Amino acid sequence: DTGVSQNPRHKITKRGQNVTFRCDPISEHNRLYWYRQTLGQGPEFLTYFQNEAQLEKSRLLSDRFSAERPKGSFSTLEIQRTEQGDSAMYLCASSLVEYNEQFFGPGTRLTVL
Amino acid sequence: KNEVEQSPQNLTAQEGEFITINCSYSVGISALHWLQQHPGGGIVSLFMLSSGKKKHGRLIATINIQEKHSSLHITASHPRDSAVYICAVRSKFENTDKLIFGTGTRLQVFP
Repeated sequence: DTGVSQNPRHKITKRGQNVTFRCDPISEHNRLYWYRQTLGQGPEFLTYFQNEAQLEKSRLLSDRFSAERPKGSFSTLEIQRTEQGDSAMYLCASSLVEYNEQFFGPGTRLTVL
Repeated sequence: KNEVEQSPQNLTAQEGEFITINCSYSVGISALHWLQQHPGGGIVSLFMLSSGKKKHGRLIATINIQEKHSSLHITASHPRDSAVYICAVRSKFENTDKLIFGTGTRLQVFP
């Protein structure tokens, strides 16, 4: 296992389109996190899962955003009706147990035209 | 005011210099992380600490819980150390595992 992977690495879309990102965590990591990072800023928390249960969602996660982890392994983050303000790097991380070190994926860079 | 503040925002150094990056936070924490982010976005965890000091190669991280302050030191800096260094904390009092991040310190080391 080579670490957390994310696909696609880059996504360019037009305003109003829907996009979906995928994150594959390190095997056997039960916690999976989604963060968003805009240019020049630190990452901001979006949501996290323990196994398939979504334990917390940020107020940043509007109704247009939805995340799933259906089998407790990979996760998807969907953004509906994208807006230019959604342009950012979307980062995924995983950890073995709570309060443990988080390992980050390479991120998916979204550009909304 | 952000819950996690870093200084300086930007740092330029000559190869070989000793570098210090500071992080102050305003919440009670259970752990503090130092992360490194290279151009292109990938984030690597450098340290996770809740007290004292940790060392890995040329990197040293210290934390003072009473003063709510942490420092990341790089000895004998090298151009390959050029990156953004991010401090992140986990709140002690919220029932959450999420990290709260600083805005990062952009380090450039010139040969």
